[in-house]
Amino acid sequence: KNQVEQSPQSLIILEGKNCTLQCNYTVSPFSNLRWYKQDTGRGPVSLTIMTFSENTKSNGRYTATLDADTKQSSLHITASQLSDSASYICVVADYNYGQNFVFGPGTRLSVLP
Amino acid sequence: KAGVTQTPRYLIKTRGQQVTLSCSPISGHRSVSWYQQTPGQGLQFLFEYFSETQRNKGNFPGRFSGRQFSNSRSEMNVSTLELGDSALYLCASSSGAGQMNTEAFFGQGTRLTVV
Repeated sequence: KNQVEQSPQSLIILEGKNCTLQCNYTVSPFSNLRWYKQDTGRGPVSLTIMTFSENTKSNGRYTATLDADTKQSSLHITASQLSDSASYICVVADYNYGQNFVFGPGTRLSVLP
Repeated sequence: KAGVTQTPRYLIKTRGQQVTLSCSPISGHRSVSWYQQTPGQGLQFLFEYFSETQRNKGNFPGRFSGRQFSNSRSEMNVSTLELGDSALYLCASSSGAGQMNTEAFFGQGTRLTVV
């Protein structure tokens, strides 16, 4: 069964600190892996998209890594800001025609002043 | 460039009724996909339309249906509503011309409450 798992479930850090979120998946065949940020009550916003051949991709203070062999990905947030408080969702697309996504449960990040 | 627009933002319906949600994609985007988000199940894929044709379908009962018009706007219909259908329904649009790695842009969602 195609699944995406994320850890931790929730995380609290102080403003200015770094953090790393984890994602493990069993989706096969694999097309690409995406990280989304979702503020409460709003739609997800894309942070990164990586194919199996990409190991690292950055978007400002967000850096995603992918190990397609071990089927693991991480999202590293540098110098966190209060506005980083949100849910971060790992999404894996199987090699199907279209946008058939398998979503992780998300990691709820709270950044405190 | 306008984003993905979903209407209405909030909706309250009674069990047994049916509901239609609307999604207007970003101009030029031909792919519209729908998702259900609940606290218990997270985000789940419902279906995707491309050029008025359903291209992919998730594991939801037949009470959930959709369609796409020639202008790429899409509607999702849920018939015989159940309490468990209460959720945030999100749609996403992409250029979706067959490439696997195109960006998907989400709307703000429609919050459906079934009472």
